[in-house]
Amino acid sequence: KAGVTQTPRYLIKTRGQQVTLSCSPISGHRSVSWYQQTPGQGLQFLFEYFSETQRNKGNFPGRFSGRQFSNSRSEMNVSTLELGDSALYLCASSSPGNEQYFGPGTRLTVT
Amino acid sequence: KQEVTQIPAALSVPEGENLVLNCSFTDSAIYNLQWFRQDPGKGLTSLLLIQSSQREQTSGRLNASLDKSSGRSTLYIAASQPGDSATYLCAHDQGAQKLVFGQGTRLTINP
Repeated sequence: KAGVTQTPRYLIKTRGQQVTLSCSPISGHRSVSWYQQTPGQGLQFLFEYFSETQRNKGNFPGRFSGRQFSNSRSEMNVSTLELGDSALYLCASSSPGNEQYFGPGTRLTVT
Repeated sequence: KQEVTQIPAALSVPEGENLVLNCSFTDSAIYNLQWFRQDPGKGLTSLLLIQSSQREQTSGRLNASLDKSSGRSTLYIAASQPGDSATYLCAHDQGAQKLVFGQGTRLTINP
């Protein structure tokens, strides 16, 4: 089985721009979660989608949003980028109640 | 608010030693507890998942235990090897696939 894939792997954006990141889960997994990892805050939960519905949301501003498609692929969007949004963004897929499998991440740098 | 603490923050040991990494959490009403490793600049690799009804899981040289009453989990690594060098993260599943992570233990195995 192919693992979780994320695109792009690296991204450089300017303050004020917006960005869209993509995540393709493991085949058969319907749950996709997103996390932000920074040196200062560690790994923090952004949101989780299951069957195209957001079931859970972390404590992030409304500039962070996401969606899930009928094939379980998910995208997250960050609008009006700030320097502090520079981070490694990770997505994970799973079957309900089971082990979460992470992708390689997208490294976002905001200048 | 659920908090996950990992001690020590860093550990350096000679090759061949057995070692224990610790993880404590504040809320004993957990669903699952999962251990990951992360290599520098990479995504997370799942090592072991302990479901709330279980007390331990084993995979090769790794053994993870869970004690909900004391709010602790340990990861035991037998006969450590230089390839085990990485950051080890434990995460508590709060339900709906929301993982709360500890800050990790950075492990270095010296040849």
